[in-house]
Amino acid sequence: DSGVTQTPKHLITATGQRVTLRCSPRSGDLSVYWYQQSLDQGLQFLIQYYNGEERAKGNILERFSAQQFPDLHSELNLSSLELGDSALYFCASSVEGAYGNTIYFGEGSWLTVV
Amino acid sequence: QQQVKQSPQSLIVQKGGISIINCAYENTAFDYFPWYQQFPGKGPALLIAIRPDVSEKKEGRFTISFNKSAKQFSLHIMDSQPGDSATYFCSASNSNYQLIWGAGTKLIIKP
Repeated sequence: DSGVTQTPKHLITATGQRVTLRCSPRSGDLSVYWYQQSLDQGLQFLIQYYNGEERAKGNILERFSAQQFPDLHSELNLSSLELGDSALYFCASSVEGAYGNTIYFGEGSWLTVV
Repeated sequence: QQQVKQSPQSLIVQKGGISIINCAYENTAFDYFPWYQQFPGKGPALLIAIRPDVSEKKEGRFTISFNKSAKQFSLHIMDSQPGDSATYFCSASNSNYQLIWGAGTKLIIKP
């Protein structure tokens, strides 16, 4: 158990809909990351927050947005969903930035868009 | 210049054999190179990491070899076991960059 909690574990929704994925980082971790992993694909970095502020942006679509709240939990909002958004979405956390620090991943939220 | 190229994409090794996964990078500013292991249905987890001040780091059956001049690093799994079957990701960063991930290697250890 990494200590990173993601909900929901599985989600099936229709095209055009909007969903919110939730993440609670490990206790004490200030950085939260979101990654997308499609079937048999690598890890695509979406976005990083550090102590409530956006620190880095990766390949995140404009239809996607995220935020980190004062209690450090984070949400990833996916809107106008398309079939191609079906993927495993990971939240991860670390004490500070990724450099030199272990990144702890949650078990992911499986999103299926039908 | 931000890429980390990982090979092979997939690898099948007999039980007891040596598994070798290679990565190459271009940005000479990278100075932190972790490897992550991902089992099916789970998130990746840190396996072992190296900094370029050493050429090799060993933890149990897992060894990272690092060649700074060639800008390459590799993961060796000695006496590979079926429980090592997983996807392995190399990555690289420095203090100014996000972690840059390789594409992953799916390793299957045949009993």
